[in-house]
Amino acid sequence: AQTVTQSQPEMSVQEAETVTLSCTYDTSENNYYLFWYKQPPSRQMILVIRQEAYKQQNATENRFSVNFQKAAKSFSLKISDSQLGDTAMYFCAFMKQQLNDMRFGAGTRLTVKP
Amino acid sequence: GAVVSQHPSWVICKSGTSVKIECRSLDFQATTMFWYRQFPKQSLMLMATSNEGSKATYEQGVEKDKFLINHASLTLSTLTVTSAHPEDSSFYICSALRGGSPYEQYFGPGTRLTVT
Repeated sequence: AQTVTQSQPEMSVQEAETVTLSCTYDTSENNYYLFWYKQPPSRQMILVIRQEAYKQQNATENRFSVNFQKAAKSFSLKISDSQLGDTAMYFCAFMKQQLNDMRFGAGTRLTVKP
Repeated sequence: GAVVSQHPSWVICKSGTSVKIECRSLDFQATTMFWYRQFPKQSLMLMATSNEGSKATYEQGVEKDKFLINHASLTLSTLTVTSAHPEDSSFYICSALRGGSPYEQYFGPGTRLTVT
């Protein structure tokens, strides 16, 4: 079974600064998908960014980028120019290429301070 | 963007009764839907994978006779919690995979279930 580990239960960052959230995973699969989701207090899950394992290029979405290290099974999220609205729980997630076995990490609670 | 709805958003039921939660993809067809459970301040735990027209695949430790899942159409999946007990109180979230886009997964807003 796949496992996803987020070792930082809580993090904080000053507004406009940069923060990196860590995620490691364990799998024997070669092709899979990785995701970062944001869950604000409303509890609506919002996709932040996704990465296909077969792509070597790191995904970017505006202020959000990932550092995907396939050999090390590491998938960290970098948030640049942090904004107050970025305050939320962030979950790293893994899905098999067969579109099943979705696994989430324990989450990191990010607080952006003014 | 694609929208997934859940109904009800909040339900209170008495111990021993059953409650049904609906998950609908409003503007796309979902060949696969997932059901998750989330306890307070915890992560999402996958309960089952639901494919249209076939039986759901339950995760280990999830009682399929207690959590009945029906995926009757490409836009609707239901989760029925049968003979609910207080320990079933939780936040239930569904998600839907858009057909044709292998990794486009859209989440519903969740349903808070309280069993008294």
